[in-house]
Amino acid sequence: DAKTTQPPSMDCAEGRAANLPCNHSTISGNEYVYWYRQIHSQGPQYIIHGLKNNETNEMASLIITEDRKSSTLILPHATLRDTAVYYCIVDSGNTGKLIFGQGTTLQVKP
Amino acid sequence: NAGVMQNPRHLVRRRGQEARLRCSPMKGHSHVYWYRQLPEEGLKFMVYLQKENIIDESGMPKERFSAEFPKEGPSILRIQQVVRGDSAAYFCASSPMGAGFKNIQYFGAGTRLSVL
Repeated sequence: DAKTTQPPSMDCAEGRAANLPCNHSTISGNEYVYWYRQIHSQGPQYIIHGLKNNETNEMASLIITEDRKSSTLILPHATLRDTAVYYCIVDSGNTGKLIFGQGTTLQVKP
Repeated sequence: NAGVMQNPRHLVRRRGQEARLRCSPMKGHSHVYWYRQLPEEGLKFMVYLQKENIIDESGMPKERFSAEFPKEGPSILRIQQVVRGDSAAYFCASSPMGAGFKNIQYFGAGTRLSVL
């Protein structure tokens, strides 16, 4: 079973920031937080990951709370092409496999 | 730098036939993972392979399914005697490092298997 809880769906206006929350209250000290997304009918795409510090790359920013029990993925200027299912995954890397939950379906609207 | 290549993209089989799905990992990646996505369901891990070795097959159905990743050539997911319930999207992913390291996996576009 997935170790994360995400809202099933969210809407965002095009051009605005999309903030996608994730709860992972049972996260262990050696587990990273990963975000992937799956645009309709395509393979999942890696977005970003972090351990305890906030991270930013060309796609998104990841904010992790100090107690590491929750995090937020931020897409700073959402476009229609960002419409997808977003998956938050916590993983230590020890097993190799990723456990996907149901994710959040983000609908970016014009 | 080519990404993870899967072929065929679409595969139609009749019940009882065999299905062979191929996956070429990204250049320099020696770890391959297979996932299955049933219609309207989430992604489920099937098997994790390294060159010539199966590392974890805990997600593979016990019968009819097998996977390999030979020293040369692509990884193959083989489904014997397909049934309608095998109809799904099968995704392959690869990573430069495997278990014990950061788990960043790069996915292919998938193979959509339809069983008639």
